[in-house]
Amino acid sequence: QSALTQPASESGSPGQSITISCTGTSSDIGSYNLVSWYQQYPGKAPKLMIYEDSKRPSGVSNRFSGSKSGNTASLTISGLQAEDEADYYCCSCATSSTVVFGGGTKLTVL
Amino acid sequence: QVQLVQSGAEVRKPGSSVKVSCKTSGGTFSNYALSWVRQAPGQGLEWMGGIIPLLGTTHYAQRFQGRVTITADEFTSTAYMELSSLRSEDTAVYFCARVDSSSLRYFDVWGRGTLVTVSS
Repeated sequence: QSALTQPASESGSPGQSITISCTGTSSDIGSYNLVSWYQQYPGKAPKLMIYEDSKRPSGVSNRFSGSKSGNTASLTISGLQAEDEADYYCCSCATSSTVVFGGGTKLTVL
Repeated sequence: QVQLVQSGAEVRKPGSSVKVSCKTSGGTFSNYALSWVRQAPGQGLEWMGGIIPLLGTTHYAQRFQGRVTITADEFTSTAYMELSSLRSEDTAVYFCARVDSSSLRYFDVWGRGTLVTVSS
């Protein structure tokens, strides 16, 4: 199965909002509530930011939100902060069968 | 607080095998599925496969079929990932990740990763 498609990089200034897209097919992204998003700092393990398309784990800032339309999922970060600079990965995570990650997006806070 | 504690860095020669461990502390091991995800230097995340200890069932990504074996020891709350016929392209950080128990649709806890270097 092919990796999900994410932009290689995105950037924004502090206080702005940015959206990272993740495009797949009807078999992965378009399937029922399978999308999760992970934040990863260099040399660190990934951290869950969004699950089941749009749910936010406790402890994750409400500046992070997820949505989905058809075969494209999106992660929006509002009120951009310097600490948001990291790599972000989307995942179609049907862990009982097939898991596919996006290629990752490097977010730069200008 | 649940933690996944992984074994230390490994160096292997091409053609050999490596076995990485992932011990669950602070939680109930058998209630959760576990997956292994790897990340080559400068590259993205790649799912290798997973195991449901309670059922003893495993699922593997097609590209690793026949080369990876994931097992679990409920007595020590430890999962293992063994990769054989190593080649230089297998040099990567290998993460174990716990799957949420309700929907099986996301990874809620991650280990810190184990660097495996394949070099002659």
